[in-house]
Amino acid sequence: AQKITQTQPGMFVQEKEAVTLDCTYDTSDPSYGLFWYKQPSSGEMIFLIYQGSYDQQNATEGRYSLNFQKARKSANLVISASQLGDSAMYFCAMRETGDTDKLIFGTGTRLQVFP
Amino acid sequence: SQTIHQWPATLVQPVGSPLSLECTVEGTSNPNLYWYRQAAGRGLQLLFYSVGIGQISSEVPQNLSASRPQDRQFILSSKKLLLSDSGFYLCAWSVIREAFFGQGTRLTVV
Repeated sequence: AQKITQTQPGMFVQEKEAVTLDCTYDTSDPSYGLFWYKQPSSGEMIFLIYQGSYDQQNATEGRYSLNFQKARKSANLVISASQLGDSAMYFCAMRETGDTDKLIFGTGTRLQVFP
Repeated sequence: SQTIHQWPATLVQPVGSPLSLECTVEGTSNPNLYWYRQAAGRGLQLLFYSVGIGQISSEVPQNLSASRPQDRQFILSSKKLLLSDSGFYLCAWSVIREAFFGQGTRLTVV
C-alpha cells in the first residue's frame, strides 16, 4: 500500500546552516512522483520540488535539493543556507502515476530557524 | 499559467446546515483533482480525488461527498454538517510533474 513517513516532528537549525528533512515512502508502483511542500502559518501550501521515480538526477530548485535514494525509498529534502523565513511546516508527498493517481502526504516536520 | 481558485476563504456554519465548497482550475486540461482536510497542527488527510469528469474516489467514509461536473471544477458537499467537520479544507490539482493547491477554506461548524 502507498505510504509516506516523516519521522521528525520538529527540527531546529541556525540561520545560514543547512538542514535535512527526512522522508521515506512505500509503494509497489514502479512509476511515482515525490513532492515537497512548505506550509507557513498562513496555511497556504507552497510547492518546493519534485522528483520522478525514473529521473536520473536528484532534483534541485534554488536552495532546495532532494536527496533521492530509490533503493532505500527515501526522498530527503535538503535546505541550504537556511533563512528565518524558512520556518514553517514541511510536507513530503507521493503520487503513484500508475493505477490510482492518489496524492498522499506525510505527517509533516516543523522547521524552526533561529538567528 | 495555471491557477486554482478555491472559495470561500473562511466559513462559519451551524451544525446540521449544508455545505458546498467549490474549486476551479484554469490553464490546464484534464487535471487530477483532490480534496484534503487538515486538522489544526496536523497533516493532510485525503478525502476525495478525481481523475476525470464524474469519476470520484472516496478515501474516508464520512459525512461528505464530492462531485466533478466539469473538467476543471471540483465540489465538496455535505447535506448536514457535524461539529467534527470543522477544519481546513484544501483543494489541489495535479498533472504529471506538478501539483498545486488552492488557498484553502477554514470551516468552523458551531
